[in-house]
Amino acid sequence: SQQGEEDPQALSIQEGENATMNCSYKTSINNLQWYRQNSGRGLVHLILIRSNEREKHSGRLRVTLDTSKKSSSLLITASRAADTASYFCATPRISSGSARQLTFGSGTQLTVLP
Amino acid sequence: NAGVTQTPKFQVLKTGQSMTLQCAQDMNHEYMSWYRQDPGMGLRLIHYSVGAGITDQGEVPNGYNVSRSTTEDFPLRLLSAAPSQTSVYFCASGGGSYEQYFGPGTRLTVT
Repeated sequence: SQQGEEDPQALSIQEGENATMNCSYKTSINNLQWYRQNSGRGLVHLILIRSNEREKHSGRLRVTLDTSKKSSSLLITASRAADTASYFCATPRISSGSARQLTFGSGTQLTVLP
Repeated sequence: NAGVTQTPKFQVLKTGQSMTLQCAQDMNHEYMSWYRQDPGMGLRLIHYSVGAGITDQGEVPNGYNVSRSTTEDFPLRLLSAAPSQTSVYFCASGGGSYEQYFGPGTRLTVT
């Protein structure tokens, strides 16, 4: 069963606008990761946030984590056409003792219009 | 570094055929894994390995075998292909951190 679930499923914005995607998960975690997948390509790691962190930044990316609500958000500021991709949150598998075994949500398809 | 490489990129099989999807990494990562991605869904873990000689099952292991004789290679074998195994397959590796590095994928169609 899926641990994480993204919302919305699809998002379309104009270039220069901000894009926010949300992820909810079911059980306690020690970290949460976000990945990007361009059409027809493999996944690329964007950012990892640990359970003792509330917010993390990387370039135009801002990730928040609320462990009390079991949710995370990914904010992309000043979006560009090149940001068009699917975005996935990933959490350690529920039944796994290793944080390296990941469970992915179904993703948010982001389209940035020029 | 090439990172994680996968071959072939595309493959069409008939029901009942067997084949091996190849995966190799040149980053000396101990952890490697295989995922499948079906349309509109996230990735589901098939098998994983925490080092040479050690493999274990993931979420959807049925119909697949793996082995890990070297640190670099982690092939995935389909024993008797079924239409339900039509999917895109991704191999990934990871080192000291939790970050995973993914290959470009193999698109498999079973008719």
